[in-house]
This record gives sequence, C-alpha cells and structure tokens, in this order.
Amino acid sequence: DAGITQSPRHKVTETGTPVTLRCHQTENHRYMYWYRQDPGHGLRLIHYSYGVKDTDKGEVSDGYSVSRSKTEDFLLTLESATSSQTSVYFCAISPRQDSTDTQYFGPGTRLTVL
Amino acid sequence: QKEVEQDPGPLSVPEGAIVSLNCTYSNSAFQYFMWYRQYSRKGPELLMYTYSSGNKEDGRFTAQVDKSSKYISLFIRDSQPSDSATYLCAMSPTSGGSYIPTFGRGTSLIVHP
Repeated sequence: DAGITQSPRHKVTETGTPVTLRCHQTENHRYMYWYRQDPGHGLRLIHYSYGVKDTDKGEVSDGYSVSRSKTEDFLLTLESATSSQTSVYFCAISPRQDSTDTQYFGPGTRLTVL
Repeated sequence: QKEVEQDPGPLSVPEGAIVSLNCTYSNSAFQYFMWYRQYSRKGPELLMYTYSSGNKEDGRFTAQVDKSSKYISLFIRDSQPSDSATYLCAMSPTSGGSYIPTFGRGTSLIVHP
C-alpha cells in the first residue's frame, strides 16, 4: 500500500461521539486525500491537503474536518458522528497534483456509527 | 447525472473469457483516464493509466479511450479467478486548477473456474 497506514482499521462508535481517523505515510508525498466509499456512490472526496496546514474541501465535506501538522500525518475528524457517516474511509497520497495525478491508497478504515 | 457513469454489475464470467468493462463520462475536459482494481476489503490500486484517446496494453489488460464518444473501456484477456475484484474508472482534466480525479462507482467482476 505504498507506505500508507490507516488507524484504526475498524471502529464502532455511537451517534454524537467525536471520532478521529489517522493516515500516516512514509513516502514524503505532498498531497494527501480522504475519501469515503459507499455502495452505489463509489469513492467520494471528503477533504484533501496540498501541504502542511494547507487543506481544502471535497465533494462531501459537511460534518468532517481535517488537520495536517506534519507531512506524514493527515487526520480526519468527525466532530459528532452520525449514522450517515457509517462508511469505509480511504486515505490516498500522491507526489504531485498535475496532469498525472496518480493516487496511492491506504488499506481503509471501516467505521460503524450506531 | 453523475459526471462518470459505471455499471456496478456484478459481471460474472467463466475463466478464460474476455472481459469488457466500461465507463461513460460527460465532462469533455477529462484528458487522463485511469483504471483501479480493488480487491475485497482492500484499498484501490492503480492498474492502468492513459492519456487522451487511443489504446494502451499491459499484459492481459488493454485500456481504450474514445473521446469522441466519451467512453472508456478496460479489456481483460484470458481472465483468471484472481482477476475477481471491483474495477473503478477514474478521470481528470489537464487544466482548470484541479487534477483530482473523479471516480466511477466501480464494476464488480467475478471470474469463476
């Protein structure tokens, strides 16, 4: 998985609880992304980062926040988890964001919100 | 209408068959086209990558882009049970500021012995 780890790999939580997912890379890539994957919707971009402390929103950013204080770590926070946020979350990295925007994905975090 | 349309399947074929996986798209700015393979409970991995129109071959896999029809295909020859996975197409533009790819929903492929 191209030097990408995600933690935790599985989590079950309750509605209203804050949740933080971590993505860690050892590739020193500049760009990092958080996606969620749901049946019928495919991969949808939540937030992405183009450098330390530089982030931007994706297609489905409501209810999520991110932080990147170091090149290697990109955190995704659900401030108050809802059942609609039950999903599989993937982190991805890429060395650049240009016309060859090849992304490498982590193993995923399976989140269940009860 | 989504920018990228992909039939979710499942597509079930016997071992050795030629498989055709397809995506259509509506954004004429898309120039880069990718196919990812995703095994169950794993992250997607890049399989093939093409630019603009034409074909690209890599072993048993051929990616084809028809920009005039806004249609891309992935062909798998001599399919194997190990090819059973979900195949996602993805595409991105070359200008306009954002090169973040747009993904299709994925097609589930089952190759049975």
